[in-house]
Amino acid sequence: EAAVTQSPRNKVAVTGGKVTLSCNQTNNHNNMYWYRQDTGHGLRLIHYSYGAGSTEKGDIPDGYKASRPSQENFSLILELATPSQTSVYFCASGARGAETLYFGSGTRLTVL
Amino acid sequence: QQQVRQSPQSLTVWEGETAILNCSYEDSTFDYFPWYWQFPRESPALLIAIRPVSNKKEDGRFTIFFNKREKKLSLHITDSQPGDSATYFCAASDTNAYKVIFGKGTHLHVLP
Repeated sequence: EAAVTQSPRNKVAVTGGKVTLSCNQTNNHNNMYWYRQDTGHGLRLIHYSYGAGSTEKGDIPDGYKASRPSQENFSLILELATPSQTSVYFCASGARGAETLYFGSGTRLTVL
Repeated sequence: QQQVRQSPQSLTVWEGETAILNCSYEDSTFDYFPWYWQFPRESPALLIAIRPVSNKKEDGRFTIFFNKREKKLSLHITDSQPGDSATYFCAASDTNAYKVIFGKGTHLHVLP
């Protein structure tokens, strides 16, 4: 069973503050993804990576940066958090070929 | 632009009926179509998937029908059970580009 761990589970941040969401996978998957989930919008792709050192923009990258320092770790960074970034964020990993994705438990972020 | 569209947004069926969830896509480079389901307060998880070389994929009560020419697919859930109540996401991926795009989801309610 693929294991993807996200931290923190819940986060409250202030507008203008910096937020870092972390994701770790122990399955040696090449691909990792960050999605946000909002009512009425489903899962929207923010950034993804196909290996250590790579990051690619998804469909809604504005206001977010990503970092993939190793095969196991993929971070999502909000340099200047805004209330519109209040959401549930999911990290996922998948083997090369972008087939089955394994999701973490999610991080609920509230920006006040 | 919305690359993967799902309908209906919400669907209610009685126990024992067949639920039909629809999906369409735009990009001809998509070559893998997974369906994920998500229960309240949980993460999405893979339910069933199909590749365009096939026009049908079955797994127990769940069947995907795929029409490559029209760029449409549907998920049929026969003998629906209350435990099937969840949000169902149609996704599409270009396995050469590692990108995985989700639709907005269909909320299925199965009444006992």
